[in-house]
Amino acid sequence: GENVEQHPSTLSVQEGDSAVIKCTYSDSASNYFPWYKQELGKGPQLIIDIRSNVGEKKDQRIAVTLNKTAKHFSLHITETQPEDSAVYFCAASIDQAGTALIFGKGTTLSVSS
Amino acid sequence: DAGVIQSPRHEVTEMGQEVTLRCKPISGHNSLFWYRQTMMRGLELLIYFNNNVPIDDSGMPEDRFSAKMPNASFSTLKIQPSEPRDSAVYFCASSAGQEYNEQFFGPGTRLTVL
Repeated sequence: GENVEQHPSTLSVQEGDSAVIKCTYSDSASNYFPWYKQELGKGPQLIIDIRSNVGEKKDQRIAVTLNKTAKHFSLHITETQPEDSAVYFCAASIDQAGTALIFGKGTTLSVSS
Repeated sequence: DAGVIQSPRHEVTEMGQEVTLRCKPISGHNSLFWYRQTMMRGLELLIYFNNNVPIDDSGMPEDRFSAKMPNASFSTLKIQPSEPRDSAVYFCASSAGQEYNEQFFGPGTRLTVL
């Protein structure tokens, strides 16, 4: 079955710096790769996603890249702000419709001002 | 819409007791997911339903765990008997069930088994 590895497990940056979180997946059939943000005491919330027919997607300060050949995908946050501090999860789909997901173990991002 | 509703928000029980976690998905959503979150294992998919039918329960850890979805607006996750290693935060999520749709998570139930 699908396995998703996520690195690093913790990341500390200064406000205004960029943050990069990387994930790898094992099943070449996976075709949908969302990223979720979890704030303390809450459930995860989708922040951006990418499908396998796209190499890069950007939404304001957040971008995701996908390398299907290498089975890598990454989240890039530019101009980080204290409110970006949270746990970030990558995920990969385990069915063709992208309905069900397997999540990485998460990255705790701390942005200090 | 109120979002995904889970109850209880916190549950403390003793080993051997039965625990029932409840979830009300967002109205109109036809896919429902149960996850377990721990520090060691992260966010694990336990089971998911499409149109009230269980599709994949391969993530259910053992026979002590069971899940039902009797109708489109209600699901339960039951642990019987509970063990201390079941202590975790359990999340329910729902989605519209079409391709590549966002999953909306509830606030979670924090379960502590003593």
